[in-house]
Parts: sequence; structure tokens; C-alpha cells
Amino acid sequence: EAGVTQFPSHSVIEKGQTVTLRCDPISGHDNLYWYRRVMGKEIKFLLHFVKESKQDESGMPNNRFLAERTGGTYSTLKVQPAELEDSGVYFCASSPLAQGPRNGYTFGSGTRLTVV
Amino acid sequence: QKEVEQNSGPLSVPEGAIASLNCTYSDRGSQSFFWYRQYSGKSPELIMSIYSNGDKEDGRFTAQLNKASQYVSLLIRDSQPSDSATYLCAVTATGNQFYFGTGTSLTVIP
Repeated sequence: EAGVTQFPSHSVIEKGQTVTLRCDPISGHDNLYWYRRVMGKEIKFLLHFVKESKQDESGMPNNRFLAERTGGTYSTLKVQPAELEDSGVYFCASSPLAQGPRNGYTFGSGTRLTVV
Repeated sequence: QKEVEQNSGPLSVPEGAIASLNCTYSDRGSQSFFWYRQYSGKSPELIMSIYSNGDKEDGRFTAQLNKASQYVSLLIRDSQPSDSATYLCAVTATGNQFYFGTGTSLTVIP
């Protein structure tokens, strides 16, 4: 079984530019989560999709961040325009619909975003 | 504000010793507790989960939970150099969101 795949693995962009991160969850996983780790801080929740619907987006930092999951398969996270404080590692995770958090998630290896 | 606190380390132990990792959490409503292992540049990998007070053992790993004191710990017996990684403590409450600590860096010295 393929794991959670994230593209790109690294991205370096200038302040003010736009970047789009992609996550391909494990096939059949309806739950998809985005998390972010800023340098020196803990991994923090951004949002949760159930299929194509946003179940919880309470962790999205501001309206420069837009997440989509058209068709309930892969998801994209767009940052526009990027700011210096957006630098960090963005993780995606997925789990089956019937499986709550008690069984944990499967994480991708993350996208390291550097805004210069 | 839900907080999960871990000693960032680094924690160094000799090969074959017991490594003890600790975590405290602030939300008394927390229900599920997890330990993830993360190698540098890799994805966090779930190694233990625990939901009830007491100990849970899986191979060389033992998770301990004390809800009254709001702490959860991970013991690694017979530590191996391959155990060298960052260990992340995570908790959940009533929702699907995980709350992570900043992680403890463990180095096992051959």
C-alpha cells in the first residue's frame, strides 16, 4: 500500500509569491488532515477534510491559506501571497473514515517551505 | 489553550540502556495519547497509543499514562542506535485534532 505522498518535498519561494502544496492520501482514506511545524515549535493542526468537505478549519492561520480537496481524493494547500512566517514543514495525514483518532493517522514526509 | 509539554533534550543514553521520555498535558479532557517517532526528514510514525491509566507494552516499548497527574511517558528498553530519533507526544480530546509536543531528541550511543 502506498503511503501518504506530498509534493514537492522542498520549496523555496520569495516573499509575495504563491506556492501550492499537494497531498495524495492513502487510497480510500476519506479523512485528510493538514498540519504545520514552524521552526522550533510544535506540529500544529491546520484543517481536516472528510472527503471533499472541510470538517474543521479552525487551525488555518489567515485568509492567505486556501485548502481544497476536489473530488475527495488529493488535496492542495495554496499560500498566496507567502510571508516569511509561513516557512516551516507542512505535513499531510490521512485515515479511513470509520477510524477516529484513537488509531492515529498515517503522515506524509512533509513539504519543507522556505520563504525568503 | 491545549498544551503538550516535552523536554526537548537532547537525551543521550548508551546502547542497551532504558530511555525514558516524558510528556505532560494541560487539558483534563484529553482522551487518547500517542507517541510518534520521527527520523530526520521523514514522516512521523506512530509507535504507541494508550487510552487508559496504567502501562501498555509493545515489544521494547512501554507507554505509561497517569490521567490524575496528566502525564504520559514512553520507556524504551534495550535501546538501540536505530532508536535515535525525535519522539513526539500527541494527545486528542473530543475531536479529531491532534495536539503535539515539540518533541524530544533521543540519541543512543553505541
